[in-house]
Amino acid sequence: GQSLEQPSEVTAVEGAIVQINCTYQTSGFYGLSWYQQHDGGAPTFLSYNALDGLEETGRFSSFLSRSDSYGYLLLQELQMKDSASYFCAVTSTGRRALTFGSGTRLQVQP
Amino acid sequence: DAGVIQSPRHEVTEMGQEVTLRCKPISGHDYLFWYRQTMMRGLELLIYFNNNVPIDDSGMPEDRFSAKMPNASFSTLKIQPSEPRDSAVYFCASSFRVAYEQYFGPGTRLTVT
Repeated sequence: GQSLEQPSEVTAVEGAIVQINCTYQTSGFYGLSWYQQHDGGAPTFLSYNALDGLEETGRFSSFLSRSDSYGYLLLQELQMKDSASYFCAVTSTGRRALTFGSGTRLQVQP
Repeated sequence: DAGVIQSPRHEVTEMGQEVTLRCKPISGHDYLFWYRQTMMRGLELLIYFNNNVPIDDSGMPEDRFSAKMPNASFSTLKIQPSEPRDSAVYFCASSFRVAYEQYFGPGTRLTVT
């Protein structure tokens, strides 16, 4: 089976940096993805890691450690519009589909 | 491209009625996924197709649910008969060659009374 754990809520202030952690247990792990979902909206793809290390895309970065079954999403220079839910999701060999975590609700305060 | 298109955006129906949700994936995408999202259960994969062929329907809750993809540009998810516990937002998503980068439609909010 597959299971993912991420904090349910995180609060931070505008301009700050926040890290959202994700630990996973899955057989045949292939990669870790991150999605953003605003209230009332659809999930949108942010990043993907298949190899250990840091991937940077603008203000957002994502990290993966395969040996620790752990990853995180790093959001820098937080803006109010970053208030949303963030989901980590895994893909595994032999199953070309995503299994999503329960999501972390990020609230950015002024 | 218009993105993934879903219809209807909202559906309110009575218990026992048949519900059909529709999805048009992004042109050229070869994978199509149906998800259900609720507060209690989060975002659950129901079924996915590759090149119009159902690959994994292990997430379909029960026989009341069925999905079809008659061609590369259209898919349906049908619930018959519907029950109040089916109330949720149903998302369709598509991708090209890989599963990790999916493009989601706006969703259909289903309410069964």
